[in-house]
Amino acid sequence: DQQVKQNSPSLSVQEGRISILNCDYTNSMFDYFLWYKKYPAEGPTFLISISSIKDKNEDGRFTVFLNKSAKHLSLHIVPSQPGDSAVYFCAASGGNAGGTSYGKLTFGQGTILTVHP
Amino acid sequence: KAGVTQTPRYLIKTRGQQVTLSCSPISGHRSVSWYQQTPGQGLQFLFEYFSETQRNKGNFPGRFSGRQFSNSRSEMNVSTLELGDSALYLCASSLRGRGTGELFFGEGSRLTVL
Repeated sequence: DQQVKQNSPSLSVQEGRISILNCDYTNSMFDYFLWYKKYPAEGPTFLISISSIKDKNEDGRFTVFLNKSAKHLSLHIVPSQPGDSAVYFCAASGGNAGGTSYGKLTFGQGTILTVHP
Repeated sequence: KAGVTQTPRYLIKTRGQQVTLSCSPISGHRSVSWYQQTPGQGLQFLFEYFSETQRNKGNFPGRFSGRQFSNSRSEMNVSTLELGDSALYLCASSLRGRGTGELFFGEGSRLTVL
């Protein structure tokens, strides 16, 4: 049962344009959503997060949008740069009925973003 | 400030053997989680520890176990290795007790089972 899904395995974008990465989830008890970036041979790096009580969070070139009714979130990168080329993972925190959730994240399968110069 | 340190970085084992992986969290972080990354399954949660207690466990067989020490360092053990255990094992630490999910990951331990 995959509770967090990234349906696009890959995305190719031209430098300077917008990159939009999408993520869907099924568990309505998730209370935080995050995006991580991963380069080869490195661990994932936290990028940006959003609480379930908000619908938008912005940090520089990165904006995450949350649509709770659709159980959908997206990451916008504007403008895209070649250094953004990496695997992007959507993740969710919470989802444990009545329980604590210190470090348990449910990850999507990842989307490989390639930004061409 | 040193990041999350995992050892060893690479190791090769044969089926039936066991392996122990080590993780040193960021100083001051008391929560440590372990994840398995494979090409087919993505990042899968194994277990998390906080104050030497296992708080959550993922859907993995009992061959996978872990522990946390009083200095927050953690180890995970996989016994009776199978070919399917070949993966990148990632350790992550966090500062907050109630997680918002912002984890700091190490570079991982790449396990190959032959």
